[in-house]
Amino acid sequence: LAKTTQPISMDSYEGQEVNITCSHNNIATNDYITWYQQFPSQGPRFIIQGYKTKVTNEVASLFIPADRKSSTLSLPRVSLSDTAVYYCLVGDNNNDMRFGAGTRLTVKP
Amino acid sequence: GAVVSQHPSWVICKSGTSVKIECRSLDFQATTMFWYRQFPKQSLMLMATSNEGSKATYEQGVEKDKFLINHASLTLSTLTVTSAHPEDSSFYICSVIGRTFNYGYTFGSGTRLTVV
Repeated sequence: LAKTTQPISMDSYEGQEVNITCSHNNIATNDYITWYQQFPSQGPRFIIQGYKTKVTNEVASLFIPADRKSSTLSLPRVSLSDTAVYYCLVGDNNNDMRFGAGTRLTVKP
Repeated sequence: GAVVSQHPSWVICKSGTSVKIECRSLDFQATTMFWYRQFPKQSLMLMATSNEGSKATYEQGVEKDKFLINHASLTLSTLTVTSAHPEDSSFYICSVIGRTFNYGYTFGSGTRLTVV
């Protein structure tokens, strides 16, 4: 299973764009990249998933370079309610999902 | 994606007693569910993989006789913490693989267990 590396923490201010990068050098051909958000005392919530290039949905964008060894989650115009831990996971539907340390994002007013 | 219901959301029990946590897949037949444990300020740690109709697969270091997992149907997996001790106090979360991988894994809302 591909291991992921993310910054432990990030700070931002309301209204700014936040980019969180995840490294996954050993990603396999069949692996997808999925990002989750977790608030305290809640289960993780799916944000976005991609395989290559760029994916965008109503809450975020995911940028994946051609070599797929990293990915960047982009949150546009963050608000205080985006303060959470963000996890990058790599795998296919046949694997259990193992979490890395995640990135603790703090959005300040 | 799948809809997952986890119950109870919190529970307090006395040392030495057992506690059962339920994880239900409401709209999807889940042959596989996963159980995680999360301590404060830490990431989720995979405890075991629950397979419908067969024995669960436990991660190294997780006591299978202490954390009993039953996955008797395609919509229900249970985790029973037996002879609970204060060090078992944690946040327990289940997850289900979504109908298609386009939605990744869906997680339950978690169960906060406090052993006193």
